[in-house]
Formats: sequence, C-alpha cells, structure tokens
Amino acid sequence: AQSVTQLDSQVPVFEEAPVELRCNYSSSVSVYLFWYVQYPNQGLQLLLKYLSGSTLVESINGFEAEFNKSQTSFHLRKPSVHISDTAEYFCAVSKYNFNKFYFGSGTKLNVKP
Amino acid sequence: EAGVTQFPSHSVIEKGQTVTLRCDPISGHDNLYWYRRVMGKEIKFLLHFVKESKQDESGMPNNRFLAERTGGTYSTLKVQPAELEDSGVYFCASSQAPGLLNTEAFFGQGTRLTVV
Repeated sequence: AQSVTQLDSQVPVFEEAPVELRCNYSSSVSVYLFWYVQYPNQGLQLLLKYLSGSTLVESINGFEAEFNKSQTSFHLRKPSVHISDTAEYFCAVSKYNFNKFYFGSGTKLNVKP
Repeated sequence: EAGVTQFPSHSVIEKGQTVTLRCDPISGHDNLYWYRRVMGKEIKFLLHFVKESKQDESGMPNNRFLAERTGGTYSTLKVQPAELEDSGVYFCASSQAPGLLNTEAFFGQGTRLTVV
C-alpha cells in the first residue's frame, strides 16, 4: 500500500523568506513523486515531478524538490517566496501505471507581506 | 483548449436527497478519474474510467455512489441518498493514455458538496 504524509497543515512565511514543505511517503513498490498546487478558486495543477534520473527537480516558478530514497522524502523548497505563491500544496505518489495518485493531506502556504 | 470542467461548483443539499455531479474532461482524453477530499484530509481516489468502462472503482465508498460515463465523454457522479459524511470537495481529472510519456492528470476546480 502507498501513503503520503504532509506533517505541516499550514506554513506561514514572510515574503522573500525561504520555505520548505515536507513530504514523506511509504510504499512497498517503486513509486513516482509529484507536487501539485491549488491556487485559490482553481483546480489542482502539476508543479513538478520526479520520474527518474537526477534526484533534484525544478519547476518553472522557482520551486525545487529532492527525491531522497533512503529517507523516503520529497520535500519542496523555494529560496525566496512571493505573495503569489500563496496556495495549497499537495504531495502525491503514483505507481508505474500512473492510473491512480495517492495524495497527502495538503499544506497551506500563506505568504505574508 | 478547455480544461477539465466540473458542475456545479458548489452544492448544498439536505441529508437523504440526491445530488449529481458532472465532469467534462479535456477533449480526447480517454481516461477520467474521480477523487474526493473530505474535511481538509487527503485527496482520495474514487474511480477510474477508460472511455465508458470502469477500470478501477476500488475507492468508491459504498453503493450510494454511482458513476457513469455513457458514450465515453462526460461523466456523472450521483450520490443517493446523501449522508452528512459525504460532504467534501469532489475532483475530476482526465488524462491521455497514462504511462511514462503521459504522467500528468489534469484536474478540474472541484465541486464542493455540503450535506446538511
């Protein structure tokens, strides 16, 4: 069985400060890892994903996540956040067939001016 | 290109009533998924259609939930009769044939269902 844990339900941070959103997973098989973001009044959007290769993956808006197999983690980081990054972030895993995602409970990032 | 569209965006119904949620996937996407998020918890898989066929309905909570995708286009999710614990946000997603070349599922905005 697969499960995803996001320990932080809310993360308040000031603009231009760094942030890390934590994600740990458990799985009996190899999985692929994703971060989705939900901006206010919008649907879930793919932020970044790890499939294979380099364990550090980046998004177009400055977020990065590092796959750590030994710690079964896929934490999301950004060195300097903007007000526009205020959203809810979901970590997810999928098995090889990508037919089903297992999501965490989400982390609300609230960026304050 | 239109994204995944869900109707209605919000629905408030009384316990025991029936509600039908609709999802229009991205044109050409044979794969359609329903997910649900209850009370700020994790988003959970409900079921997966490939065209009009149910590929995996292992996440459906009970027989009060009925999903259909006649003709392989839009899908409906009916809850009958609704119970208080059915409240939550129902997400629909669609994708092309899933695999390493198509790993992304595209999600709609969700339908917020409140059962009172």
